[in-house]
Amino acid sequence: QQQVKQSPQSLIVQKGGISIINCAYENTAFDYFPWYQQFPGKGPALLIAIRPDVSEKKEGRFTISFNKSAKQFSLHIMDSQPGDSATYFCAASLTGNQFYFGTGTSLTVIP
Amino acid sequence: DSGVTQTPKHLITATGQRVTLRCSPRSGDLSVYWYQQSLDQGLQFLIQYYNGEERAKGNILERFSAQQFPDLHSELNLSSLELGDSALYFCASSVQKRITFGSGTRLTVV
Repeated sequence: QQQVKQSPQSLIVQKGGISIINCAYENTAFDYFPWYQQFPGKGPALLIAIRPDVSEKKEGRFTISFNKSAKQFSLHIMDSQPGDSATYFCAASLTGNQFYFGTGTSLTVIP
Repeated sequence: DSGVTQTPKHLITATGQRVTLRCSPRSGDLSVYWYQQSLDQGLQFLIQYYNGEERAKGNILERFSAQQFPDLHSELNLSSLELGDSALYFCASSVQKRITFGSGTRLTVV
């Protein structure tokens, strides 16, 4: 059973456009929602994270929007750049630091 | 450098063999996780240790085993290897809610 459902599987965006990746969860006990960025051959790296008592968090061009009632959260990449081309994973964590990852979204930003 | 060290970076071995992957967590991190990532696949959680004790188990095969030692480094043992075990194996460590991944070990079974 997939604890965190992520969509789309792949995404192609023009340079300068907005990339949006969505995730949904069922377990209301999750208390931390990070996003990870992974380049080919590298380990995933923490990009941005949010706790469920906050509806939005912004760091530079990256924003997490969190909808607690809908049990959904999304990553928005503003002014997408070719260097943002990577695989993005959402995740959710329980107390005890068990992490559940989405299946990943392959983002391609074309010049 | 994430601070999580994995060795070796690459490993090529034959079917039926046994290998050991090693991980040193970030200084001060007590939790260690192992994940498997096959080609075009997501991160499959294998197992988590906290301060030497097994904390959680995921989709880890019986042919695979792991342990965390008193110095907090961890080893993942893969035995009776099959072609399908070829993958990237990531170790990660965490403190509080921040999980940090190593750069992985690429295992190729031929």
